[in-house]
Amino acid sequence: NFMLTQPHSVSESPGKTVTISCTRSSGSIASNYVQWYQQRPGSSPTTVIYEDNQRPSGVPDRFSGSIDSSSNSASLTISGLKTEDEADYYCQSYDSSNARVFGGGTKLTVL
Amino acid sequence: EVQLVESGGGLVKPGGSLRLSCAASGFTFSSYSMNWVRQAPGKGLEWVSSISSSSSYIYYADSVKGRFTISRDNAKNSLYLQMNSLRAEDTAVYYCARDRYSGTRGDWFDPWGQGTLVTVSS
Repeated sequence: NFMLTQPHSVSESPGKTVTISCTRSSGSIASNYVQWYQQRPGSSPTTVIYEDNQRPSGVPDRFSGSIDSSSNSASLTISGLKTEDEADYYCQSYDSSNARVFGGGTKLTVL
Repeated sequence: EVQLVESGGGLVKPGGSLRLSCAASGFTFSSYSMNWVRQAPGKGLEWVSSISSSSSYIYYADSVKGRFTISRDNAKNSLYLQMNSLRAEDTAVYYCARDRYSGTRGDWFDPWGQGTLVTVSS
């Protein structure tokens, strides 16, 4: 099985842009789709990006996803930061052994 | 509205057993695979188990294999997790989540229930 590694925390000011990375330890990041979930304090996770770069309906286009094969990583970018974006963000992918893998999570602070 | 409601959590002693349930509504339950995902207090998300729509395919994380059993009853629109030989490290909020299949390149979870807390302590 592979691991997905995320920064423990990131912070940025309102109105700015922040990018959260998710690096796959082995195997190609492009082999399996990457999803991103947002979890606000005291709430269940919700999907903000699925299949690398797709936004569910209702998720603002300030959220975007991408993958980079050269760094074997996925990224979640949030532009025009709002205080309501402050949350934990988790990346997730699928392992060929039928396991589902989550990154350790990144705490986003908007200050 | 798609809704998932977990129940059955509580306090249990190490070595004990507990059965979680997840009641689904607002979608055709029998057409979807389902998952359990847990989150230890102050920690990240950990996938626990998946079951296909007809229960033909079942998968477990290594951390629970041989101790937990996932099952479903499509007639009752319900998902279950039987947890045996519980350990302190199984303490977590357990979420059920509908599976969204993306073909051979994987799947994702949406939506999630509100979760049920399992505490394993003497």
